[in-house]
This record gives sequence, C-alpha cells and structure tokens, in this order.
Amino acid sequence: EAAVTQSPRNKVTVTGGNVTLSCRQTNSHNYMYWYRQDTGHGLRLIHYSYGAGNLQIGDVPDGYKATRTTQEDFFLLLELASPSQTSLYFCASSDAGGALTGQLYFGEGSKLTVL
Amino acid sequence: QQQVRQSPQSLTVWEGGTTVLTCSYEDSTFNYFPWYQQFPGEGPALLISILSVSDKKEDGRFTTFFNKREKKLSLHIIDSQPGDSATYFCAEAYQGGRALIFGTGTTVSVSP
Repeated sequence: EAAVTQSPRNKVTVTGGNVTLSCRQTNSHNYMYWYRQDTGHGLRLIHYSYGAGNLQIGDVPDGYKATRTTQEDFFLLLELASPSQTSLYFCASSDAGGALTGQLYFGEGSKLTVL
Repeated sequence: QQQVRQSPQSLTVWEGGTTVLTCSYEDSTFNYFPWYQQFPGEGPALLISILSVSDKKEDGRFTTFFNKREKKLSLHIIDSQPGDSATYFCAEAYQGGRALIFGTGTTVSVSP
C-alpha cells in the first residue's frame, strides 16, 4: 500500500508568516495532490502535479504556491499566511489512472493554525 | 465550477440500523464514482467505488447505487456498527480525470 507522509503534523504561525508543508510518497506514483479540509466545505483541491517540475491549478489556489521537486516530494507554500488559511491540509498521491479509478492515497494531514 | 452535492451533512443512527447517504454530481463522463471513509485524526481512504456502467456495487455491509439518468449516487450501510462512525465523502473525476473533486461530506454517528 502507498505510503504518504506529511510534515509537520501541526503548525501554528502568525498572520503574514511563511509556512511550508511537506509531503513525501514512497510508492513511485505520478500524481500528487494538496487538498484542504474545512467543515461545511469538505475537501477542496488546491494544487496538484503529475511529475517533477509540473504544477496544475486546482479549485482554491489563491494564496498558495506549490512545488514538486522530485517524484516523491511535493511542497505547499504559504508565503503570507492569513487566518482564512487555518485548515487541515491533506496530501494525496495516485498512479497515472488513479483519479479515473477513484483511488487516491492520503496522508494523515497537517493542521495549520494562523493567528 | 464543477460541484458534487452531498447530503445530509450529518446523521445519527442506532446500532443495527441502516444508513443512507446521497450525492448528486454534474459530470458522468468518467468511469468510476468512489466513496471515501475518514476516521477522526486520519486521512480519507477509499471505501468502495462503482463503475458508471453498473447500477449497484456491494462490499459486505456497504452498497453503493448509481443512477446515471438522474446523476445520483447513494451509499447504504446495513447493520450499522459503532465502528462505522466516520465522515463519508463521495467524489468524481475532475480536470480530465487527473484529479478528484469531493462532496462536502456526511458525518455519521452510530449509537450503541
């Protein structure tokens, strides 16, 4: 089974702060995703990538940058964090056909609080 | 913007009862429609998925139904157990099938 590891698991920062959330997958999947989870909104797609150096825009990209440095590593960057970005962030991965078959593998989440 | 509508937002059912969750979606182009289960403190995990050419898929106590004409999906949990207490998300393929878009989720509580 695919392993997706996120760090940090918990992060507190202040408004205007700089935050990087990291994700590593060890199953050689092509696709990696960043979602945020908020009550009443479910899981919303921020950015995703289908390979090193590739970046695709999701539904809620404003205020977020992302970078895929290797096949294994995908980073989410908040350069000027705002309280509206307080959320639970999930990274996921899938193979080339994963979304078409509905199979994404999720990490355990990173809880971010922006004061 | 593509949306997946899910209802209810939350529900409580007695142990042994039947739980029914529903979703409505917009795009039936793609083949699979999955349901994800998420326990507190964990990431979502695939529970069951159905092919668009099927109208029913069963896996133990979990059954999903697909109505292509009405663009509706449902999940039935029979003999509900306290261990089924979780949040359930439906999803559909998005952006040419390269990603998934999720519903807003239903939080299920099973009372013993």
